[in-house]
Amino acid sequence: AQTVTQSQPEMSVQEAETVTLSCTYDTSENNYYLFWYKQPPSRQMILVIRQEAYKQQNATENRFSVNFQKAAKSFSLKISDSQLGDTAMYFCAFMNPDGGKLIFGQGTELSVKP
Amino acid sequence: SAVISQKPSRDICQRGTSLTIQCQVDSQVTMMFWYRQQPGQSLTLIATANQGSEATYESGFVIDKFPISRPNLTFSTLTVSNMSPEDSSIYLCSVEVGLAADTQYFGPGTRLTVL
Repeated sequence: AQTVTQSQPEMSVQEAETVTLSCTYDTSENNYYLFWYKQPPSRQMILVIRQEAYKQQNATENRFSVNFQKAAKSFSLKISDSQLGDTAMYFCAFMNPDGGKLIFGQGTELSVKP
Repeated sequence: SAVISQKPSRDICQRGTSLTIQCQVDSQVTMMFWYRQQPGQSLTLIATANQGSEATYESGFVIDKFPISRPNLTFSTLTVSNMSPEDSSIYLCSVEVGLAADTQYFGPGTRLTVL
């Protein structure tokens, strides 16, 4: 069974600085999808970034980028130029290639301090 | 992406009662999903709702407790039956979109408190 682990329950960063959130996963699949979702206090789950395992190139979305290390089964999220609005719970998630069930990590609570 | 709405946004219910949560999406989708997020926890999939067939439940979740309807390609309901305080959670629906239906977008969630 696939598992997703986020080893940092809480992190903080100063506004405008860069922060990296860690995620590791376990699977025997070769093709799959990985995601980072953000959940602010409003509780809405917002898709931050998506990575397809068969693509070597790391995904980037504006200030958000990932470091995808397939052999190490690692999928970290880097937030550059952190903003106060980035304060939220961040969840790493795994999905099999046939779609369907998302398997989530435990979450990392990020606080951006002014 | 997709625009997804849920009703109600929150509710406070008495134990032993049932609550039906609605999920509406602005486009036709094949797969809809229902997740539970218990206080301070991550999300866990309850079931997958396919139009025209019975929902598929994950281990630990049963139809008698969480009956699901999927009458068309834009709408689904989840009922939390015979509620107890342990059912206090956020319930979220999601839909798969994208060319390969490989990305899920979530509704705003329903915060349920059972007294």
